[in-house]
Amino acid sequence: AQSVSQHNHHVILSEAASLELGCNYSYGGTVNLFWYVQYPGQHLQLLLKYFSGDPLVKGIKGFEAEFIKSKFSFNLRKPSVQWSDTAEYFCAVNPRGSSNTGKLIFGQGTTLQVKP
Amino acid sequence: ETGVTQTPRHLVMGMTNKKSLKCEQHLGHNAMYWYKQSAKKPLELMFVYNFKEQTENNSVPSRFSPECPNSSHLFLHLHTLQPEDSALYLCASSQGGWDPQYFGPGTRLTVL
Repeated sequence: AQSVSQHNHHVILSEAASLELGCNYSYGGTVNLFWYVQYPGQHLQLLLKYFSGDPLVKGIKGFEAEFIKSKFSFNLRKPSVQWSDTAEYFCAVNPRGSSNTGKLIFGQGTTLQVKP
Repeated sequence: ETGVTQTPRHLVMGMTNKKSLKCEQHLGHNAMYWYKQSAKKPLELMFVYNFKEQTENNSVPSRFSPECPNSSHLFLHLHTLQPEDSALYLCASSQGGWDPQYFGPGTRLTVL
């Protein structure tokens, strides 16, 4: 079955520390990849997306993610986190199979807590 | 209103009640989705509608009944729910296919 795995469930960092959140998926075909963020009390927002081309994609607020096809991974990074980055982060995969229903498969989420 | 809105934001219902959740998107999108977010579990896709037609039902029990009268509105009719159905129900919309989905704030449902 298709699945998405986020290895870190809860990450605690100090401000200015570097961040890397892992995401792996199980699907052998072509995929679209997404990272969503949910700030406290707010709804899910799109952080960045990968469809094709350059495997290093840049999103909002200084986040970036790298697609490594051979590792089925799409890790999220930020060189220097801020207290305002405290949120829950979700990796999601859209398998580009023959069915074009837009089915998104989500990981379990990673809670990031940034200490000031 | 902009984006995707959902009403009500909170709902408490008994197992014998009938209620409905409403979602409206103001983005001109053609596809709408229902997701369930339970504690400690990944978001689960429930239903997908493209141009008002249901294109995905992810083995959802019949006590959940979706309705999509047009591309801007989506409902989830609830009846004879179980306590384990308590969760955050999220609506999303997109241009369709593989385009990014935009989410509403959700309805926090508690079934007593």
